[in-house]
Amino acid sequence: QKEVEQNSGPLSVPEGAIASLNCTYSDRGSQSFFWYRQYSGKSPELIMFIYSNGDKEDGRFTAQLNKASQYVSLLIRDSQPSDSATYLCAVRGAGRRALTFGSGTRLQVQP
Amino acid sequence: DAGVIQSPRHEVTEMGQEVTLRCKPISGHDYLFWYRQTMMRGLELLIYFNNNVPIDDSGMPEDRFSAKMPNASFSTLKIQPSEPRDSAVYFCASSSRTGQETQYFGPGTRLLVL
Repeated sequence: QKEVEQNSGPLSVPEGAIASLNCTYSDRGSQSFFWYRQYSGKSPELIMFIYSNGDKEDGRFTAQLNKASQYVSLLIRDSQPSDSATYLCAVRGAGRRALTFGSGTRLQVQP
Repeated sequence: DAGVIQSPRHEVTEMGQEVTLRCKPISGHDYLFWYRQTMMRGLELLIYFNNNVPIDDSGMPEDRFSAKMPNASFSTLKIQPSEPRDSAVYFCASSSRTGQETQYFGPGTRLLVL
């Protein structure tokens, strides 16, 4: 079992729709959870992080964390073609500084 | 701030040659990470430093890989000898203990070993 699992996609949504990206992790002691966006040929850039159970909103983005079920998700409202990218879920385990990344979900927003 | 700086941006070399990748972290950041990204294996941590000291090098593939951080503003990742399977994008990232631990990535070095 991979430490951090994501559906590779592609996930295709029409412009203006809500895109839902999911991630599960195996280390129950994990403490911090991050979503990065990576455009083709570019480096990962942080979208948002979440530490506590529940929802965290930042503009069109909402991160959701459920530690009991060991999953974290990212919702993108009013999806735009410019949101088309690979979204990487990253987890920091207990007592660790380094992040473990999932393989990423490729999102395609159709105009 | 200039962000994390990496050089070279692209490197093409022949099998058996030595390759040196360079990274300048964001000023004031005390953690530095080296990652490798391939289609098959995704983004993998190779090694990370805290205050110039290597903390975890368990991701370094083998003895052909070595990394150093002689001071707070410079790190190198060296591959000697290089092999075709080392072809990947190598990212450097840095973070601050006081900055929500967010890692900021450099633009990466795209390495092709022929």
